[in-house]
Amino acid sequence: AQSVTQLDSHVSVSEGTPVLLRCNYSSSYSPSLFWYVQHPNKGLQLLLKYTSAATLVKGINGFEAEFKKSETSFHLTKPSAHMSDAAEYFCVVSVGSSNTGKLIFGQGTTLQVKP
Amino acid sequence: KAGVTQTPRYLIKTRGQQVTLSCSPISGHRSVSWYQQTPGQGLQFLFEYFSETQRNKGNFPGRFSGRQFSNSRSEMNVSTLELGDSALYLCASSFYRVGETQYFGPGTRLLVL
Repeated sequence: AQSVTQLDSHVSVSEGTPVLLRCNYSSSYSPSLFWYVQHPNKGLQLLLKYTSAATLVKGINGFEAEFKKSETSFHLTKPSAHMSDAAEYFCVVSVGSSNTGKLIFGQGTTLQVKP
Repeated sequence: KAGVTQTPRYLIKTRGQQVTLSCSPISGHRSVSWYQQTPGQGLQFLFEYFSETQRNKGNFPGRFSGRQFSNSRSEMNVSTLELGDSALYLCASSFYRVGETQYFGPGTRLLVL
């Protein structure tokens, strides 16, 4: 069965330092993987998406993620954290056939950015 | 282009009542999915509709139902509300498939007393 595990429930960084949010997935075939961000009292916003075109995926606001099949990982990184990056981040896998299916969400990682 | 809209934004109900939530997808999007978000269970898939047909369903009891209209707007209904139904209900839309980029609405926060 497909699943997603976010390895840290809470990550704290200082402004201007790198961000690393870790995600491992389990999938019986080549998955579609996503990172979404949720700011307080807001809906989810797509940061980036992997669909097998390139293993290094660049997203919005300076975020990127690298798909590593051998490690079944899809970690999210950003070189320099900004205060506005403080939010909840979700690693997501799409499962099912091409025309049906659903998204499976990780439990989320809360990113705290300290001044 | 207008985003996904959900109404109402906030609801307070009592146990045993029923509730209907509405979702208007982005213009041109025909796939609408619903998710429940709670602190304990996180984000869980409820169901997905495409062209007025339910294509996929999550592991929720039959009290949770939905439908989609010909203009792609969708509603979800929860009957006989329980305290545990208190959650943020999110709607997402995409052109054709769940695997495409999904755009989420701001959610409806339901509190069951």
